[in-house]
Amino acid sequence: DADVTQTPRNRITKTGKRIMLECSQTKGHDRMYWYRQDPGLGLRLIYYSFDVKDINKGEISDGYSVSRQAQAKFSLSLESAIPNQTALYFCATSDDRGFGYTFGSGTRLTVV
Amino acid sequence: DAKTTQPTSMDCAEGRAANLPCNHSTISGNEYVYWYRQIHSQGPQYIIHGLKNNETNEMASLIITEDRKSSTLILPHATLRDTAVYYCIANSGYSTLTFGKGTMLLVSP
Repeated sequence: DADVTQTPRNRITKTGKRIMLECSQTKGHDRMYWYRQDPGLGLRLIYYSFDVKDINKGEISDGYSVSRQAQAKFSLSLESAIPNQTALYFCATSDDRGFGYTFGSGTRLTVV
Repeated sequence: DAKTTQPTSMDCAEGRAANLPCNHSTISGNEYVYWYRQIHSQGPQYIIHGLKNNETNEMASLIITEDRKSSTLILPHATLRDTAVYYCIANSGYSTLTFGKGTMLLVSP
């Protein structure tokens, strides 16, 4: 099994729909992150969590929310999806020193 | 985190060493230099990191200048599968990683 698992791998949704992207990790790390990548651009941080009770906004949190259900699980929600949220979404985890992030394989989200 | 500067793209012949430079002239004493790579649309992959000393692992070597203002990632024998975007990041570990646009390395036969 992969260290970081993201579901779904691909999703097409309609404008205005609520959608949840899920992430689970088996590394036993406290820190988890959600990044977004648009074509030709680097990754941008949406939200991050340094432990189960900690949630922090990243660079581009507007239109998104997250839930840290357990140490191993960190989900990202789009409350009302819009077309410019079409992107590749990555979940990652790291140890408490921030060394060696491990990323999932990504969720390709298309909002039509 | 200190800003890093990398060339937009580089080419390398298969089997040759790929040397990817990175400038981080404003790096602070507690910031590490990290290298990640991203093969087309896959999740970024951690390669190596270092603080002051040169580092080597099974994937690559990292050479950091004595003044720590620049570094070079070396892939000793590049293969076609090393074609990817390579990101150089300066980070203390207390904050999150910020990814720039990286260097697109194209390895050709």
